[in-house]
Amino acid sequence: GIQVEQSPPDLILQEGANSTLRCNFSDSVNNLQWFHQNPWGQLINLFYIPSGTKQNGRLSATTVATERYSLLYISSSQTTDSGVYFCAVDRSSGNTGKLIFGQGTTLQVKP
Amino acid sequence: DTAVSQTPKYLVTQMGNDKSIKCEQNLGHDTMYWYKQDSKKFLKIMFSYNNKELIINETVPNRFSPKSPDKAHLNLHINSLELGDSAVYFCASSQESGGYTFGSGTRLTVV
Repeated sequence: GIQVEQSPPDLILQEGANSTLRCNFSDSVNNLQWFHQNPWGQLINLFYIPSGTKQNGRLSATTVATERYSLLYISSSQTTDSGVYFCAVDRSSGNTGKLIFGQGTTLQVKP
Repeated sequence: DTAVSQTPKYLVTQMGNDKSIKCEQNLGHDTMYWYKQDSKKFLKIMFSYNNKELIINETVPNRFSPKSPDKAHLNLHINSLELGDSAVYFCASSQESGGYTFGSGTRLTVV
């Protein structure tokens, strides 16, 4: 099956710093999403980004489908950005198959 | 106006008991899912239903039985609970474009 690898596994930042999280996947996909799991356990959808670039405030994401990777950029990090960031992919057409998750990047932003 | 809602949020029960987790979505999505997050934060699909029909069953023990009375609801019933069933269970829904939306999770602890 498809493999999803995220890096780095852990990241500690000082508030205000920028960071880049990476997601590599082993096969072509029809869906790629980035999620943030906050310290209370909620999984929040950040981006639906099978290809191209999107921005939402201090966060942006780029997926290069032909090279099988996606990047999540966090600028001017805040303590509320702490948590686990997951990349997940779906190979099925129509996005009604199953999401395969990476192992996550655990981010801690220190004040 | 919660998009995907699960109940209960926490469930503590003894080994051997039977329990149910309920899930409802008001997004009009046709496909719903159950995912399990283990103690290492790894997320894996268990089941998916499309318009009340089972389409994915990821070799989950048959003690787990999903039930979908209509396309807005997907409940999970677990018989004869075991210690290894302790985890966080997430319900999700999706549509053909726009990605997946997750509920807030149910933390199940079997003692």
